[in-house]
Amino acid sequence: DVKVTQSSRYLVKRTGEKVFLECVQDMDHENMFWYRQDPGLGLRLIYFSYDVKMKEKGDIPEGYSVSREKKERFSLILESASTNQTSMYLCASGYRGEQYFGPGTRLTVT
Amino acid sequence: GDSVTQMEGPVTLSEEAFLTINCTYTATGYPSLFWYVQYPGEGLQLLLKATKADDKGSNKGFEATYRKETTSFHLEKGSVQVSDSAVYFCALTPLAGNTPLVFGKGTRLSVIA
Repeated sequence: DVKVTQSSRYLVKRTGEKVFLECVQDMDHENMFWYRQDPGLGLRLIYFSYDVKMKEKGDIPEGYSVSREKKERFSLILESASTNQTSMYLCASGYRGEQYFGPGTRLTVT
Repeated sequence: GDSVTQMEGPVTLSEEAFLTINCTYTATGYPSLFWYVQYPGEGLQLLLKATKADDKGSNKGFEATYRKETTSFHLEKGSVQVSDSAVYFCALTPLAGNTPLVFGKGTRLSVIA
C-alpha cells in the first residue's frame, strides 16, 4: 500500500514564526503536492513538484515556499506564519492523475 | 480554465437510502474523472475513477458513469450505511500523468441510523 506520512497531525505556532511541514512518501512517485483545506473553500493547491529540486506554483503560493531535495520528501515552508494561514494542510503524491494523500496537519497560528 | 461543480451539502440520509451526489465539469479535451472520499480525521482517498466517455467506475457499492454529452460524473449508491458518512470530492485531470487534479469543493454526507 502507498503510504504518505506527514510530520505532525496538530501544530500550534505563533505569528511570525518559521514553520516547516514535512511530507514523506514511500512509493517512488515523482509527483508530490501540497494543498490547504478550508471550510467552504474545498482543497486549494499551494505548490507541486514533478521531480527532485523542481517546483511549480499552484493556485495560492503566496506566503509559502517548498523544498524537494530528495524524491521521497516534500517540505512546505511558511516563512513568517500569519493567522490567515491557520488551516488543514494536506500532502499528496501520485501518478497518472491519481493522488495518495497523507492524514493532514492541522496548523493553528496564534 | 477547467473546473468541477458539485452539489452543495450537507446531505443527510437515513441508513439504506439511495444516494446521488451530482458533479458536472468544464474542461478542454477529454479529462479523466475521479471521486475521492475523506473520512473524519483522515486525508482523501481515491474512491473510483473513469478515464473515457461511458466508462463506469465502481468501488465499495458506489458507482459513477462518465457522461460526455452532459459533462457529468454523478456518484450513486443504492443503500448507504452509517460508515459512508464522509466528505466526497469530484475531481478531474485533463491529461494522464503530471497535471494536477482539479477538485470540486466537496459534499458532506451524513448517514443516520
